[in-house]
Amino acid sequence: GAVVSQHPSWVICKSGTSVKIECRSLDFQATTMFWYRQFPKQSLMLMATSNEGSKATYEQGVEKDKFLINHASLTLSTLTVTSAHPEDSSFYICSAREGLAGDTGELFFGEGSRLTVL
Amino acid sequence: GQNIDQPTEMTATEGAIVQINCTYQTSGFNGLFWYQQHAGEAPTFLSYNVLDGLEEKGRFSSFLSRSKGYSYLLLKELQMKDSASYLCAPMDSNYQLIWGAGTKLIIKP
Repeated sequence: GAVVSQHPSWVICKSGTSVKIECRSLDFQATTMFWYRQFPKQSLMLMATSNEGSKATYEQGVEKDKFLINHASLTLSTLTVTSAHPEDSSFYICSAREGLAGDTGELFFGEGSRLTVL
Repeated sequence: GQNIDQPTEMTATEGAIVQINCTYQTSGFNGLFWYQQHAGEAPTFLSYNVLDGLEEKGRFSSFLSRSKGYSYLLLKELQMKDSASYLCAPMDSNYQLIWGAGTKLIIKP
């Protein structure tokens, strides 16, 4: 199956710093990418949907100025957590599908990035 | 509103069969996905149903009844490595996946 690579897997940072997480589709062109956050023992929470070359669509309650998403190419999307605080500590997961957001194709997930903010 | 209902936790014995049920309510429907998620890892795709009926894939099968808003995942010949959370995720009219908290499956020897 298709491969989505996410980096870094683990990151620890100080409060107030910014952290960038990369999501790459290795063997297909990911027109649409999704960013999720998951707290322990809770469901995946969709943060935003991004289509290559356009601005991301953020879910209600997600601060777009805090969670910057860039989907500049068909194989790379980045999530930057700006001015991170301890409450931002979570498991961040990206997923990608080959078609547009309106397609029903399978989602391929990255390995996830565990962020700990001290 | 949109809602997913799955059991929180299930326990089964190695080698046995287990059925994980899922009922859902969504705004529109464009199919239903089942994902497996091991602790601390990202979800991995198991199945996708868009038509009523049973889809079989090796030890795993998934069933869908659109009129009842109901799906189940059937796992046969359970192995210890099947211990994981299983996520039922219907897709709504906006092609967004709706995620529940999942069912934690514990396999005992």
